[in-house]
Amino acid sequence: DAGITQSPRHKVTETGTPVTLRCHQTENHRYMYWYRQDPGHGLRLIHYSYGVKDTDKGEVSDGYSVSRSKTEDFLLTLESATSSQTSVYFCATKGLADNNEQFFGPGTRLTVL
Amino acid sequence: GENVEQHPSTLSVQEGDSAVIKCTYSDSASNYFPWYKQELGKRPQLIIDIRSNVGEKKDQRIAVTLNKTAKHFSLHITETQPEDSAVYFCAAQKGSNYQLIWGAGTKLIIKP
Repeated sequence: DAGITQSPRHKVTETGTPVTLRCHQTENHRYMYWYRQDPGHGLRLIHYSYGVKDTDKGEVSDGYSVSRSKTEDFLLTLESATSSQTSVYFCATKGLADNNEQFFGPGTRLTVL
Repeated sequence: GENVEQHPSTLSVQEGDSAVIKCTYSDSASNYFPWYKQELGKRPQLIIDIRSNVGEKKDQRIAVTLNKTAKHFSLHITETQPEDSAVYFCAAQKGSNYQLIWGAGTKLIIKP
């Protein structure tokens, strides 16, 4: 599983509270991605990182921010959670080699009440 | 921007028969097309992929075909087995940082 972990694995929170999800990898992969998965929508890219302190927006970035202060950790923050952000969040990584495969973490199920 | 459409959303086949899932993409600059399998409650995992300079790729019972002119690619599973039951996602790569745009998924049901 490419040494990718996510924490927490499950979280229930209330509308308006801040939430931070963590992705940790031990593969020294350069690229990291945050997705959300909702029924009928597949996986949608929220933000991605192409190196330490190098991040950019994906297709559904509104309401989310990210930080990457070291290679192994990529944090996703919901500044003020809303019910529309209830979802399963997956982190993925890709190495620098000529291999385009993305490796996924186990996911975090977030419920915003 | 890039858009990927996937059909059908649900596919039910008899065990031993073949299954075909189709995807179309909009950006002709896309050059990499993976297929992922996701079992219930698990993470997506790559099962096969194809680059734009190849028309077909096969790995045992699964194969992927790509038609660049028509901008569509398909997943073929032969001799389906119960363990093939899962949700399958196609994707198309865009951009210089290997971003993937995903189809909505196909739930494959293998009937005994």
